[in-house]
Amino acid sequence: EAGVAQSPRYKIIEKRQSVAFWCNPISGHATLYWYQQILGQGPKLLIQFQNNGVVDDSQLPKDRFSAERLKGVDSTLKIQPAKLEDSAVYLCASSREGNYGYTFGSGTRLTVV
Amino acid sequence: GNSVTQMEGPVTLSEEAFLTINCTYTATGYPSLFWYVQYPGEGLQLLLKATKADDKGSNKGFEATYRKETTSFHLEKGSVQVSDSAVYFCALRSNTGNQFYFGTGTSLTVIP
Repeated sequence: EAGVAQSPRYKIIEKRQSVAFWCNPISGHATLYWYQQILGQGPKLLIQFQNNGVVDDSQLPKDRFSAERLKGVDSTLKIQPAKLEDSAVYLCASSREGNYGYTFGSGTRLTVV
Repeated sequence: GNSVTQMEGPVTLSEEAFLTINCTYTATGYPSLFWYVQYPGEGLQLLLKATKADDKGSNKGFEATYRKETTSFHLEKGSVQVSDSAVYFCALRSNTGNQFYFGTGTSLTVIP
């Protein structure tokens, strides 16, 4: 089966600019996650969707980050405005019901200068 | 709360050496434990997992045993290869939710 697709692979922006990342989960996977992986750290969950509803966004910096999953399939994560400390790899993952088939995408590497 | 602590790197080994990467965890309830590997420029790949105490996960010569009494899940391999060079992440998934909690990662370099 096809994996979790993410785009773009790399993005460089200046601070205070906006950026958006896209994720297409594995077909049939109801749950979608966005993680932030800062260099030298493990991934940290930003937001979790179940179909098109938010399950957990407690660690999402809502003053600048937003995410949506319209129609319960693909998802977009946006940062507006970006800060230097947002430089990280943004990983998308998806899973079937009951945590089966949990799969990570290759990520989008964001550099804020 | 839930957290994972793993051995800091970087670790450099000669080919065919024995590898141990230590991992301990704190969790509420009965978590599942995982090791993920990240090769340069690639995403996270599941290496092995264990879902209950005393389970042993194994894959590609790597092994880890879920030790509830010591809250540990150490990764071992008897003979490493150059192709094992990567960053290894220990992680837990709480049984009360789908969220993963990751350690900070251990970079392994294997030299010929």
